Amino acid sequence: DAKTTQPTSMDCAEGRAANLPCNHSTISGNEYVYWYRQIHSQGPQYIIHGLKNNETNEMASLIITEDRKSSTLILPHATLRDTAVYYCIVRVESGANNLFFGTGTRLTVIP
Amino acid sequence: NAGVTQTPKFQVLKTGQSMTLQCAQDMNHEYMSWYRQDPGMGLRLIHYSVGAGITDQGEVPNGYNVSRSTTEDFPLRLLSAAPSQTSVYFCASRTGGGDNEQFFGPGTRLTVL
Repeated sequence: DAKTTQPTSMDCAEGRAANLPCNHSTISGNEYVYWYRQIHSQGPQYIIHGLKNNETNEMASLIITEDRKSSTLILPHATLRDTAVYYCIVRVESGANNLFFGTGTRLTVIP
Repeated sequence: NAGVTQTPKFQVLKTGQSMTLQCAQDMNHEYMSWYRQDPGMGLRLIHYSVGAGITDQGEVPNGYNVSRSTTEDFPLRLLSAAPSQTSVYFCASRTGGGDNEQFFGPGTRLTVL
């Protein structure tokens, strides 16, 4: 599975959009981009995933560049409850179960 | 549904002791896995299972054993606890195949003295 690079930390004002970048320059054609987050010491929570096209769900949007070497997770209206560590992960869909977590981005939403 | 449950929430062991961390899911998921998370780091895969009776090693399997006798349960055994195994342990499950999410339990915080 490809490695990812994320900024260590970011701040975002409450109510504004939070844009979290992720570089995955060695991603293979059959690898998906997944985003999870971990609030305080809880278990990670799935947010969204995609392969090539941009994706949107009730939590967030995922923008993947055309060359697929980077992506951006967008939280459209950040709230204080969105303060968490966000992990960008790439994995082969046929893989057994392996999510390779990096150190993620610590997002702090500021009132 | 209770989702993924883990017991105990906290545990303190002495070096050399053995114990079993329990994990159960009520979603009829085929895939289950165990991760550990050390301070300031992401999760690392210990062992995983793709179905009852089938287990395999992950990234950091040494010092741990697993078995999967039922779909619901996936216990993690520490054979002889060491201080290096002080960590937070997370169990996860998902349905097999396809592009789907993993569901994580609340974690077990283990301290080995």
